[in-house]
Amino acid sequence: NAGVMQNPRHLVRRRGQEARLRCSPMKGHSHVYWYRQLPEEGLKFMVYLQKENIIDESGMPKERFSAEFPKEGPSILRIQQVVRGDSAAYFCASSPLIQGRGTEAFFGQGTRLTVV
Amino acid sequence: SQQGEEDPQALSIQEGENATMNCSYKTSINNLQWYRQNSGRGLVHLILIRSNEREKHSGRLRVTLDTSKKSSSLLITASRAADTASYFCATDTEYGNKLVFGAGTILRVKS
Repeated sequence: NAGVMQNPRHLVRRRGQEARLRCSPMKGHSHVYWYRQLPEEGLKFMVYLQKENIIDESGMPKERFSAEFPKEGPSILRIQQVVRGDSAAYFCASSPLIQGRGTEAFFGQGTRLTVV
Repeated sequence: SQQGEEDPQALSIQEGENATMNCSYKTSINNLQWYRQNSGRGLVHLILIRSNEREKHSGRLRVTLDTSKKSSSLLITASRAADTASYFCATDTEYGNKLVFGAGTILRVKS
Protein backbone atom coordinates (compact mmCIF):
# COMPACT_ATOMS: atom_id res chain seq x y z
CA ASN A 1 0.00 0.00 0.00
CA ALA A 2 1.81 3.06 -1.24
CA GLY A 3 1.72 6.13 0.94
CA VAL A 4 0.39 9.53 -0.02
CA MET A 5 2.02 10.46 -3.31
CA GLN A 6 2.65 14.06 -4.25
CA ASN A 7 4.13 15.35 -7.44
CA PRO A 8 6.12 17.08 -8.47
CA ARG A 9 8.49 17.16 -5.50
CA HIS A 10 9.96 20.45 -6.65
CA LEU A 11 8.32 23.03 -8.87
CA VAL A 12 9.78 26.30 -10.14
CA ARG A 13 7.49 28.88 -11.67
CA ARG A 14 7.95 32.42 -12.86
CA ARG A 15 5.74 35.12 -11.46
CA GLY A 16 2.38 35.13 -13.24
CA GLN A 17 2.46 31.46 -14.24
CA GLU A 18 0.19 28.74 -12.95
CA ALA A 19 1.23 26.00 -10.55
CA ARG A 20 -0.53 22.63 -10.37
CA LEU A 21 0.22 20.35 -7.47
CA ARG A 22 -1.05 16.79 -7.41
CA CYS A 23 -1.84 14.46 -4.57
CA SER A 24 -2.88 10.82 -4.68
CA PRO A 25 -4.20 9.70 -1.30
CA MET A 26 -3.52 6.34 0.27
CA LYS A 27 -5.63 3.51 -1.05
CA GLY A 28 -8.98 3.45 0.70
CA HIS A 29 -8.73 7.01 1.98
CA SER A 30 -11.54 9.32 0.95
CA HIS A 31 -10.44 12.47 2.79
CA VAL A 32 -7.73 14.78 1.49
CA TYR A 33 -6.24 17.83 3.17
CA TRP A 34 -3.83 20.44 1.86
CA TYR A 35 -1.45 22.36 4.09
CA ARG A 36 1.12 25.06 3.38
CA GLN A 37 4.39 25.44 5.26
CA LEU A 38 6.43 28.60 5.05
CA PRO A 39 10.14 28.42 5.98
CA GLU A 40 10.74 28.01 9.72
CA GLU A 41 7.01 27.72 10.42
CA GLY A 42 4.46 25.03 11.15
CA LEU A 43 1.88 23.79 8.69
CA LYS A 44 -1.19 25.91 8.03
CA PHE A 45 -4.44 24.25 6.98
CA MET A 46 -5.72 25.28 3.57
CA VAL A 47 -8.55 23.01 2.42
CA TYR A 48 -10.29 19.73 3.20
CA LEU A 49 -11.90 17.72 0.43
CA GLN A 50 -13.79 14.52 -0.07
CA LYS A 51 -14.45 13.01 -3.48
CA GLU A 52 -16.07 15.69 -5.66
CA ASN A 53 -16.75 17.92 -2.64
CA ILE A 54 -14.98 20.76 -0.87
CA ILE A 55 -15.81 20.37 2.82
CA ASP A 56 -13.79 23.18 4.37
CA GLU A 57 -11.80 25.79 2.48
CA SER A 58 -11.46 28.24 5.34
CA GLY A 59 -7.66 28.32 4.99
CA MET A 60 -7.57 29.01 1.27
CA PRO A 61 -6.75 32.50 0.03
CA LYS A 62 -9.83 33.99 -1.61
CA GLU A 63 -8.15 34.60 -4.93
CA ARG A 64 -5.90 32.60 -7.25
CA PHE A 65 -6.11 29.37 -5.24
CA SER A 66 -8.44 26.48 -5.98
CA ALA A 67 -8.59 22.79 -5.15
CA GLU A 68 -10.45 19.78 -6.43
CA PHE A 69 -10.70 16.09 -5.74
CA PRO A 70 -12.47 14.48 -8.70
CA LYS A 71 -14.22 11.15 -8.71
CA GLU A 72 -11.29 9.70 -10.64
CA GLY A 73 -7.70 10.80 -10.34
CA PRO A 74 -5.63 12.76 -7.88
CA SER A 75 -6.51 15.85 -5.91
CA ILE A 76 -5.20 19.04 -7.51
CA LEU A 77 -4.19 22.27 -5.82
CA ARG A 78 -4.04 25.01 -8.39
CA ILE A 79 -2.41 28.39 -7.94
CA GLN A 80 -2.97 30.91 -10.69
CA GLN A 81 -0.74 33.91 -11.40
CA VAL A 82 1.81 32.90 -8.78
CA VAL A 83 3.67 35.54 -6.78
CA ARG A 84 6.90 35.26 -4.77
CA GLY A 85 4.90 34.98 -1.55
CA ASP A 86 3.45 31.68 -2.78
CA SER A 87 6.88 30.07 -2.44
CA ALA A 88 6.45 27.39 0.21
CA ALA A 89 6.18 23.67 0.79
CA TYR A 90 2.69 22.33 0.11
CA PHE A 91 1.74 19.12 1.87
CA CYS A 92 -1.14 16.82 1.21
CA ALA A 93 -2.54 14.43 3.79
CA SER A 94 -5.19 11.76 3.62
CA SER A 95 -7.19 9.83 6.17
CA PRO A 96 -9.91 7.22 6.19
CA LEU A 97 -13.40 8.05 7.33
CA ILE A 98 -13.76 7.47 11.07
CA GLN A 99 -17.14 8.40 12.43
CA GLY A 100 -17.17 10.85 15.31
CA ARG A 101 -13.52 11.36 16.10
CA GLY A 102 -10.39 12.38 14.30
CA THR A 103 -7.78 9.90 13.26
CA GLU A 104 -4.21 9.81 12.11
CA ALA A 105 -3.52 11.71 8.93
CA PHE A 106 -0.85 10.38 6.59
CA PHE A 107 1.26 13.01 4.90
CA GLY A 108 2.99 13.06 1.55
CA GLN A 109 6.55 14.27 1.03
CA GLY A 110 5.35 17.65 -0.13
CA THR A 111 5.83 19.83 -3.17
CA ARG A 112 8.30 22.63 -2.79
CA LEU A 113 7.19 25.55 -4.91
CA THR A 114 9.68 28.25 -5.77
CA VAL A 115 8.47 31.36 -7.56
CA VAL A 116 11.20 33.29 -9.34
CA SER B 1 -2.30 32.75 16.82
CA GLN B 2 -1.78 29.05 16.30
CA GLN B 3 -3.92 26.61 18.25
CA GLY B 4 -0.90 24.57 19.19
CA GLU B 5 2.23 26.26 20.41
CA GLU B 6 5.36 24.32 21.24
CA ASP B 7 8.16 25.18 23.56
CA PRO B 8 11.05 25.36 23.55
CA GLN B 9 11.50 26.63 20.02
CA ALA B 10 14.86 24.88 19.87
CA LEU B 11 16.52 22.23 22.00
CA SER B 12 20.07 20.90 21.81
CA ILE B 13 21.08 17.84 23.83
CA GLN B 14 23.72 15.12 23.93
CA GLU B 15 23.05 11.65 22.63
CA GLY B 16 21.63 9.48 25.38
CA GLU B 17 19.89 12.32 27.19
CA ASN B 18 16.15 12.73 27.35
CA ALA B 19 14.33 15.44 25.39
CA THR B 20 11.08 17.00 26.53
CA MET B 21 8.93 19.21 24.35
CA ASN B 22 5.73 20.91 25.39
CA CYS B 23 2.64 21.99 23.51
CA SER B 24 -0.18 24.26 24.60
CA TYR B 25 -3.49 24.83 22.87
CA LYS B 26 -6.46 27.10 23.33
CA THR B 27 -9.74 25.34 22.58
CA SER B 28 -11.19 21.97 23.48
CA ILE B 29 -9.93 19.09 21.37
CA ASN B 30 -10.88 15.63 20.21
CA ASN B 31 -7.29 14.44 20.08
CA LEU B 32 -3.72 15.68 19.89
CA GLN B 33 -1.03 14.29 17.64
CA TRP B 34 2.74 14.62 17.46
CA TYR B 35 4.63 14.60 14.19
CA ARG B 36 8.30 14.63 13.27
CA GLN B 37 9.74 16.37 10.24
CA ASN B 38 13.28 15.88 9.06
CA SER B 39 14.81 18.80 7.22
CA GLY B 40 13.24 19.24 3.82
CA ARG B 41 11.03 16.18 4.17
CA GLY B 42 7.41 15.32 4.88
CA LEU B 43 5.80 14.69 8.23
CA VAL B 44 5.96 11.38 10.02
CA HIS B 45 3.20 10.57 12.47
CA LEU B 46 4.56 9.66 15.91
CA ILE B 47 1.64 9.26 18.26
CA LEU B 48 -2.01 10.20 18.75
CA ILE B 49 -3.53 10.75 22.18
CA ARG B 50 -7.27 11.16 22.61
CA SER B 51 -8.87 13.72 24.88
CA ASN B 52 -9.93 11.05 27.37
CA GLU B 53 -6.39 9.68 27.69
CA ARG B 54 -3.73 11.03 30.00
CA GLU B 55 -0.61 9.20 28.93
CA LYS B 56 0.53 7.08 26.04
CA HIS B 57 3.77 5.25 25.23
CA SER B 58 5.31 4.14 21.97
CA GLY B 59 8.85 2.77 22.11
CA ARG B 60 11.09 5.58 23.38
CA LEU B 61 8.24 8.10 23.17
CA ARG B 62 5.99 9.11 26.02
CA VAL B 63 3.17 11.59 25.54
CA THR B 64 1.08 13.14 28.27
CA LEU B 65 -2.08 15.18 27.93
CA ASP B 66 -3.57 17.51 30.53
CA THR B 67 -6.88 18.80 29.21
CA SER B 68 -7.43 20.98 32.29
CA LYS B 69 -4.25 22.89 31.44
CA LYS B 70 -4.70 22.47 27.69
CA SER B 71 -1.19 21.15 27.36
CA SER B 72 0.74 18.11 26.20
CA SER B 73 4.31 16.97 26.46
CA LEU B 74 6.43 14.68 24.31
CA LEU B 75 9.33 12.91 25.99
CA ILE B 76 11.98 11.13 23.93
CA THR B 77 14.15 8.94 26.10
CA ALA B 78 17.73 7.89 25.38
CA SER B 79 17.93 10.22 22.41
CA ARG B 80 19.91 9.36 19.30
CA ALA B 81 21.48 11.53 16.63
CA ALA B 82 18.78 10.25 14.25
CA ASP B 83 16.15 11.94 16.44
CA THR B 84 17.41 15.30 15.17
CA ALA B 85 14.36 16.86 13.51
CA SER B 86 11.52 19.33 14.02
CA TYR B 87 8.65 18.14 16.17
CA PHE B 88 5.11 19.47 15.82
CA CYS B 89 1.99 19.01 17.83
CA ALA B 90 -1.35 19.19 16.04
CA THR B 91 -4.85 19.35 17.43
CA ASP B 92 -8.05 18.11 15.87
CA THR B 93 -11.09 20.05 16.97
CA GLU B 94 -13.64 19.09 14.37
CA TYR B 95 -15.04 16.01 12.71
CA GLY B 96 -13.01 15.39 9.60
CA ASN B 97 -9.53 15.62 11.04
CA LYS B 98 -8.67 19.21 10.15
CA LEU B 99 -5.42 19.65 12.04
CA VAL B 100 -4.04 22.84 13.53
CA PHE B 101 -0.27 22.80 13.94
CA GLY B 102 2.07 24.64 16.22
CA ALA B 103 5.28 26.26 15.02
CA GLY B 104 7.36 23.29 16.17
CA THR B 105 10.40 22.53 18.28
CA ILE B 106 13.73 22.03 16.53
CA LEU B 107 15.59 19.23 18.30
CA ARG B 108 19.28 18.68 17.75
CA VAL B 109 20.92 15.61 19.25
CA LYS B 110 24.69 15.80 19.28
CA SER B 111 26.73 12.63 19.06
